[in-house]
Amino acid sequence: ETGVTQSPTHLIKTRGQQVTLRCSSQSGHNTVSWYQQALGQGPQFIFQYYREEENGRGNFPPRFSGLQFPNYSSELNVNALELDDSALYLCASSAGRGPSYEQYFGPGTRLTVT
Amino acid sequence: AQKITQTQPGMFVQEKEAVTLDCTYDTSDPSYGLFWYKQPSSGEMIFLIYQGSYDQQNATEGRYSLNFQKARKSANLVISASQLGDSAMYFCAMRDDYSNTGNQFYFGTGTSLTVIP
Repeated sequence: ETGVTQSPTHLIKTRGQQVTLRCSSQSGHNTVSWYQQALGQGPQFIFQYYREEENGRGNFPPRFSGLQFPNYSSELNVNALELDDSALYLCASSAGRGPSYEQYFGPGTRLTVT
Repeated sequence: AQKITQTQPGMFVQEKEAVTLDCTYDTSDPSYGLFWYKQPSSGEMIFLIYQGSYDQQNATEGRYSLNFQKARKSANLVISASQLGDSAMYFCAMRDDYSNTGNQFYFGTGTSLTVIP
C-alpha cells in the first residue's frame, strides 16, 4: 500500500510568483485535505476535496485554490505569493468524510518565499 | 474560540517513565473524533491514536492511551515507558460533524516532548 506522497519536497519562490504543490493520496482514499503549518504552529486547514469537489474551506484568501483529479490526487495553487506564505504545506488523505476517518499525512512541501 | 487547546508548550520525561500530554477541546456537535499525531523534526505527521465521541472505553494503541473525559472535554495522551525516539512535537486534533465544517481537522499548538536518557 502506497502512502501519501507530495512534491516537491522543498521550494523557494519570490514574492508575487505563483506555485503549484502536488499530492498523491493513499490508495483507496477519496478525500484530500491541505494544511498550512507555519513555524512553531499547528497545521491550519486550507480546504478539502471529496470526489473532485471542494468540500470545505478554512480562512484562506481566494488566491489559495486547488483541484482534485479523477485518481484522487490533488494540487494546491497559490497565486501572488506573500512572505507570510512561507510554511510547511501538508496534504492528508482519508478513506471518507465523517468524524471517525483518520487522516494520513504526506511528508509535506516546505515553501520559502523571499 | 479555540477548538483545541494544548497548554504545555514543552515537556520533559525521563526515559522509561510515563508522561501525560494535556488536550482540551470545544465543540457543540455530538459526533466528533479526537486524534493525536506525532511530528518528528522531519515534518511528517504520524497518526498515533483515535477516540470517538461515542466510544465508552478509552482508546489504547500499544504504549499510547487516551484519557477521555467527555464531561470535562479533555483528551489527554498518556505515553508509557518513554523511549528516546518519542522526542517530537505532539499535536491533538479534533474532527467534528462534516455537515457543518467540511470535515476539517482542528489542531492545537502542540507540545514539544523531550525524553531524557
